[in-house]
Amino acid sequence: DGGITQSPKYLFRKEGQNVTLSCEQNLNHDAMYWYRQDPGQGLRLIYYSQIVNDFQKGDIAEGYSVSREKKESFPLTVTSAQKNPTAFYLCASLRDPGGGYTFGSGTRLTVV
Amino acid sequence: AQTVTQSQPEMSVQEAETVTLSCTYDTSESDYYLFWYKQPPSRQMILVIRQEAYKQQNATENRFSVNFQKAAKSFSLKISDSQLGDAAMYFCAYRSPSGEGGSEKLVFGKGTKLTVNP
Repeated sequence: DGGITQSPKYLFRKEGQNVTLSCEQNLNHDAMYWYRQDPGQGLRLIYYSQIVNDFQKGDIAEGYSVSREKKESFPLTVTSAQKNPTAFYLCASLRDPGGGYTFGSGTRLTVV
Repeated sequence: AQTVTQSQPEMSVQEAETVTLSCTYDTSESDYYLFWYKQPPSRQMILVIRQEAYKQQNATENRFSVNFQKAAKSFSLKISDSQLGDAAMYFCAYRSPSGEGGSEKLVFGKGTKLTVNP
């Protein structure tokens, strides 16, 4: 079945370390997105990519980086510059031109 | 920039009753898409219903329907015959139309937590 796979489901990071969250899709979608979810804040856009080798900053890009070397993959790196990285991270791809997103199951990142 | 406001942080409903969740948005565009997503405790985001702004007819999906008031920029979700499985966070979202350099990114409200009482 087609879908979006995020891994790992839970991730623990020590302060000062970079960590990379994986997002893979087999839906043949061009556009992919990363959102951060905090309690009471809804979902906020970190980065998005509409085509391979191109990506744009979202509303809260500081402290994050991405790459889009393959259509299927859109990994997110949380760098040590991100001051409050503990959150739930959701990856998504655009389902169709007039539709909503297909979401992955998310990664819960905790800084210890 | 577009904004989406959900004014009810929490709502509750009795099983089998009807509940309406509110959503307002701000935009200067005339064509756009609106969505309601459900996020149960598993945290998987599930698309509930969508509405194209150019369509006057309100969208319906089984027990879920919307009241889309374009002039008022309002997009409420009605859940009929509420079931225990409807308990979740519900997010309203806005998206600009595709094309013309649009990013197709979704803008979300902060969510409404729905509790269903047996």
